[in-house]
Amino acid sequence: GAVVSQHPSWVICKSGTSVKIECRSLDFQATTMFWYRQFPKQSLMLMATSNEGSKATYEQGVEKDKFLINHASLTLSTLTVTSAHPEDSSFYICSAIQVTAGRAGELFFGEGSRLTVL
Amino acid sequence: AQKITQTQPGMFVQEKEAVTLDCTYDTSDQSYGLFWYKQPSSGEMIFLIYQGSYDEQNATEGRYSLNFQKARKSANLVISASQLGDSAMYFCAMRGGVGGYNKLIFGAGTRLAVHP
Repeated sequence: GAVVSQHPSWVICKSGTSVKIECRSLDFQATTMFWYRQFPKQSLMLMATSNEGSKATYEQGVEKDKFLINHASLTLSTLTVTSAHPEDSSFYICSAIQVTAGRAGELFFGEGSRLTVL
Repeated sequence: AQKITQTQPGMFVQEKEAVTLDCTYDTSDQSYGLFWYKQPSSGEMIFLIYQGSYDEQNATEGRYSLNFQKARKSANLVISASQLGDSAMYFCAMRGGVGGYNKLIFGAGTRLAVHP
């Protein structure tokens, strides 16, 4: 099946720094990717929809200036947590849609990236 | 607005027995898809099964089956012959509308523990 890779798997950073998380579709082109956030023992909350070549669509309550999303190519979307604070510590998961003609898009998830802000 | 509800925070089952995880949904879309994912402690999301709103037959994938009751807006996951490796979080999710680009909305999840 299709593979979506996230990097880094885990990252620890100091408060006030920025952290970039990459999401790559390895064997298909993904015009649309999604970014989710998951706090411990909670569900996945959609943060934004990343569209190749255009601005991301953010969900209500998500600060677009804090969580910068760039989808510069058909295989790569990046999420940058700017000026990270301890409350940004979370598990971030991306997913990518592989669309095949005549079929509904199939969704593939990355392995997730665990961010800890000290 | 779309909504997914999983009312069971946790479930226990004896190994080799069957278990049903509940999921109800709400949507105004005529066309939608329902998914179940498994998330072990490692965090990865593992796709289990899919049911389209127009599918007449209940979906089955190995030991997983989806009990789809459209009128009641429920899409319960049935795991038969539970195994110790089935212990994990299980999420029900829905994607609405036409086309393949719509977002996936998740329920709160159910933690399943399988006992020997």
